[in-house]
Amino acid sequence: SAVISQKPSRDICQRGTSLTIQCQVDSQVTMMFWYRQQPGQSLTLIATANQGSEATYESGFVIDKFPISRPNLTFSTLTVSNMSPEDSSIYLCSAEANYGYTFGSGTRLTVV
Amino acid sequence: DAKTTQPPSMDCAEGRAANLPCNHSTISGNEYVYWYRQIHSQGPQYIIHGLKNNETNEMASLIITEDRKSSTLILPHATLRDTAVYYCIVRVAAAAGNKLTFGGGTRVLVKP
Repeated sequence: SAVISQKPSRDICQRGTSLTIQCQVDSQVTMMFWYRQQPGQSLTLIATANQGSEATYESGFVIDKFPISRPNLTFSTLTVSNMSPEDSSIYLCSAEANYGYTFGSGTRLTVV
Repeated sequence: DAKTTQPPSMDCAEGRAANLPCNHSTISGNEYVYWYRQIHSQGPQYIIHGLKNNETNEMASLIITEDRKSSTLILPHATLRDTAVYYCIVRVAAAAGNKLTFGGGTRVLVKP
């Protein structure tokens, strides 16, 4: 099964700045996903990132706020732009594996 | 647009079977049911998935009703380490590819 490395594992950022989260998979995967998990809540899908095409965003999420890159079949980045305290969440990367979907351990972001 | 309904919480006794119900009455014929769990501060962990038939692996069993409108995840011998939030998910087909949309999940507490 695919293994995902996600970094940073946590960060504290100033409002108005941007943070880029990296997601590395140990095997080639077609589809990757980015989720947000607000404190005490379930996971919410931000976007689907397929290699070679622009990311597809879910309702309520826009590219200007959450630009995504997918340069190859093993790597993706999510940028949280112009951050505010409301962006404080855990951000998780996921990839479609042989049996289903595997998840990274997440990036815990605190915006102050 | 989560398509599943689960009880928000349940307790179970260590060493006993834990039966976690899930309602997915609007499921379509080609949509799979997935179960994941999330232990505090970790990424979701795959448990099992199925389409029509009952499935069993080393972690759990999945019982899907004949009309596919509901399912039950069975942890045969719950341990304290099974304490987690369990998510029942219907994999949704989308233009960008299949995706997992999480619902609220069931918070399971295994008690000694």
